[in-house]
Amino acid sequence: GAVVSQHPSWVICKSGTSVKIECRSLDFQATTMFWYRQFPKQSLMLMATSNEGSKATYEQGVEKDKFLINHASLTLSTLTVTSAHPEDSSFYICSASVSGNSYEQYFGPGTRLTVT
Amino acid sequence: SQKIEQNSEALNIQEGKTATLTCNYTNYSPAYLQWYRQDPGRGPVFLLLIRENEKEKRKERLKVTFDTTLKQSLFHITASQPADSATYLCASRSGTYKYIFGTGTRLKVLA
Repeated sequence: GAVVSQHPSWVICKSGTSVKIECRSLDFQATTMFWYRQFPKQSLMLMATSNEGSKATYEQGVEKDKFLINHASLTLSTLTVTSAHPEDSSFYICSASVSGNSYEQYFGPGTRLTVT
Repeated sequence: SQKIEQNSEALNIQEGKTATLTCNYTNYSPAYLQWYRQDPGRGPVFLLLIRENEKEKRKERLKVTFDTTLKQSLFHITASQPADSATYLCASRSGTYKYIFGTGTRLKVLA
């Protein structure tokens, strides 16, 4: 149980274009989903916290107009990287908290974004 | 600022030995600490959670300790196997309820 999927698993896009990444909880309802970014050999950095039906809370230094997050249902959150630049190339990982259990996060497999 | 540090970037040990990984936290007192395993190109997988009032937690070959005096958690893998090779992350929630992660320790178990 508690499986989280991400799509796509990897994507290459040209500079200036937008990319959407989907995060789904497959067998549970997630009231909260988190989006992280991870650069090579570095730790996960929280970008934003997303609650179903409300606006995402962004961490300091993360541009909300560049990284658009939508949490439309209890099983789906999306991250759109708008006007992507090469420095946005990274590993993006989502996680979801089971409703009522704030301790455990279940992570998706990640999405490797390369901006050329 | 609140930080979690994993001092060893990499650790190589011989198969069958016990691997011990260290996690130190500074500038806050977490109510719990979590340990995750991350394989290359994959998301982290939850392993264990230990609360501040628990000294030790075990799960199969894994053991975690929590020392609030030393501000430290130790993660042990006994009878290590090459399949245990991965990066292990320590994490917790800060006082602002934001999840923070250590940079991880890359464990390699040599056959």
